Amino acid sequence: EVQLLESGGGLVQPGGSLRLSCAASGITFSTYGMSWVRQAPGKGLEWVAHIYSGGSRTDYADSVKGRFTISRDNPKSTLYLQMSDLKAEDTAVYYCAKLEGHDSSTSFDSWGQGVLVTVSS
Amino acid sequence: EIVLTQSPATLSLSPGERATLSCRASQSVSSSLAWYQQKPGQAPRLLISDASNRATGIPARFSGSASGSDFTLTISSLEPEDFAVYYCQQRSNWPRTFIFGPGTRVDI
Repeated sequence: EVQLLESGGGLVQPGGSLRLSCAASGITFSTYGMSWVRQAPGKGLEWVAHIYSGGSRTDYADSVKGRFTISRDNPKSTLYLQMSDLKAEDTAVYYCAKLEGHDSSTSFDSWGQGVLVTVSS
Repeated sequence: EIVLTQSPATLSLSPGERATLSCRASQSVSSSLAWYQQKPGQAPRLLISDASNRATGIPARFSGSASGSDFTLTISSLEPEDFAVYYCQQRSNWPRTFIFGPGTRVDI
């Protein structure tokens, strides 16, 4: 059974930094592309960042480009999201999500339970 | 940039009724569209991939179809546990992004 377990959320002041982690189990982690998807309170889903299976290629939403960095440690089966210069509008539940198949797949077939990030003074 | 539009925003139905949810892409895209179900306080769950392929463990009452840039999720007979928010999602090759629609809430 695939399990994705996020950690690292919490309350941070505007302009601050935070690193989220997503520990994967039940899969050959290095085989799959992974994304972070967020959901602001009461709002819809917003894709944040994606990293390919090998870790060499990354993509970002315009809203976080230059402030967030996605990375992965395949031997540790862990995905990361380093967030800096945080803004109030980054307040959301952050989910890690696994691509269903190869790196060119579209859909996410496994999701973590989510971790809350609150940016407030 | 691809924009996904979902309609209606809210669908008020009763158990046993048929639900038809629409997702339209702003430009011609591949058939690689996914549908997710999300219940309050839970992570999204993949229902349909590649427009019409049910994900593992998804009941047969859920089906997806595509016609050009128009995609449809149909729930043939609503069960009480189907009342939730449904999102469509695609992937763009340029710019390299993943796009979610705004969601359709299926209410009792």
